[in-house]
Amino acid sequence: DTGVSQDPRHKITKRGQNVTFRCDPISEHNRLYWYRQTLGQGPEFLTYFQNEAQLEKSRLLSDRFSAERPKGSFSTLEIQRTEQGDSAMYLCASSPRGGGGVPPLHFGNGTRLTVT
Amino acid sequence: LAKTTQPISMDSYEGQEVNITCSHNNIATNDYITWYQQFPSQGPRFIIQGYKTKVTNEVASLFIPADRKSSTLSLPRVSLSDTAVYYCLVGGYSGAGSYQLTFGKGTKLSVIP
Repeated sequence: DTGVSQDPRHKITKRGQNVTFRCDPISEHNRLYWYRQTLGQGPEFLTYFQNEAQLEKSRLLSDRFSAERPKGSFSTLEIQRTEQGDSAMYLCASSPRGGGGVPPLHFGNGTRLTVT
Repeated sequence: LAKTTQPISMDSYEGQEVNITCSHNNIATNDYITWYQQFPSQGPRFIIQGYKTKVTNEVASLFIPADRKSSTLSLPRVSLSDTAVYYCLVGGYSGAGSYQLTFGKGTKLSVIP
């Protein structure tokens, strides 16, 4: 178990630019989540994949945000025309198939985005 | 989604037992209670999960009363390395293939030497 990895760890961009983040989940996990976290707040749900299908999207996810998970493996989150309000930590998590209870989320250490 | 309420912050001395209580009055029948720990600049880490009564693992215990409207995370003999934010989540299968898990603001635990 090598854990969930996210790349890059930090990204500084200018307002209006596009950015893309990558998440590599734990290999046997079929569920993948994206969250966003701002300072002093808990993580906010953005979107969820089961295998390659994007099954849920939060109302927080504006049209400028798009996520993909081709072939049900790694995932990318793209933000177009970034705004200063997009500055946050973007967290990816994966979880295994459900059994009893709610499968625990395994988080990566996030990508910290700063929009100047 | 069940809303959770937990203290914003707590202080404790090293070696003491710490109990963090979370209120979730609107918990649904199929909801589980899950606690996560988060250190600065890291993603949250799963601690423990329960449905009712008491659950214990190598890290913590979780106490859930019969009405399930609250839960208490118990950390035995805390050390400085337990300084972190602790999140209480309540949720279950959403029916859309995912598990609805909503994080609140968490409880910032500071362990004092």
